[in-house]
Amino acid sequence: DQQVKQNSPSLSVQEGRISILNCDYTNSMFDYFLWYKKYPAEGPTFLISISSIKDKNEDGRFTVFLNKSAKHLSLHIVPSQPGDSAVYFCAASESGNTPLVFGKGTRLSVIA
Amino acid sequence: DGGITQSPKYLFRKEGQNVTLSCEQNLNHDAMYWYRQDPGQGLRLIYYSQIVNDFQKGDIAEGYSVSREKKESFPLTVTSAQKNPTAFYLCASSTGQGAPWGYTFGSGTRLTVV
Repeated sequence: DQQVKQNSPSLSVQEGRISILNCDYTNSMFDYFLWYKKYPAEGPTFLISISSIKDKNEDGRFTVFLNKSAKHLSLHIVPSQPGDSAVYFCAASESGNTPLVFGKGTRLSVIA
Repeated sequence: DGGITQSPKYLFRKEGQNVTLSCEQNLNHDAMYWYRQDPGQGLRLIYYSQIVNDFQKGDIAEGYSVSREKKESFPLTVTSAQKNPTAFYLCASSTGQGAPWGYTFGSGTRLTVV
């Protein structure tokens, strides 16, 4: 049973426009949510995070929104750049003592 | 520089053979993890260890074994019992305490069964 779901396997966006990647979760015990970016044949790199006490966290072009009542989070990238093209994974955990649970990923393609 | 090293980057195994993937970290992290990535499947947890000489099964532990004799090292053995071992394997480490912001991933090992 998938606890973290990324229902869009892929997304194409024009350069300069907004990219919105979505993630849903089922475990109400999750308190921490993270987004990772991954290139082929490399390990994921941390992008941005949010804890359940917040509903928004911003870092430069990247903003993560959390809607706890809907068990939904989203990653906004504005403006999108060709270098943003990668697979993005949503991850969640209950605490620092429990392993991260990952979604299946969304492949973002930013077209110049 | 502190980091996490996985070796080898590519590994080929004949059916019926056991093979061990190496993972070493010099970040002084207590917790270490093994994930497997398959196309369209995301990252799935195989095993994790929060302290030396202790480890727990993840979601897909069948056919795998691990050891944690040293804080820095967490090798993964893919046994002949693993039915479909061809995949990309990722090792990670973290402090294992507080918020889980500090996961560091290795660059992965691509295992192919021939």
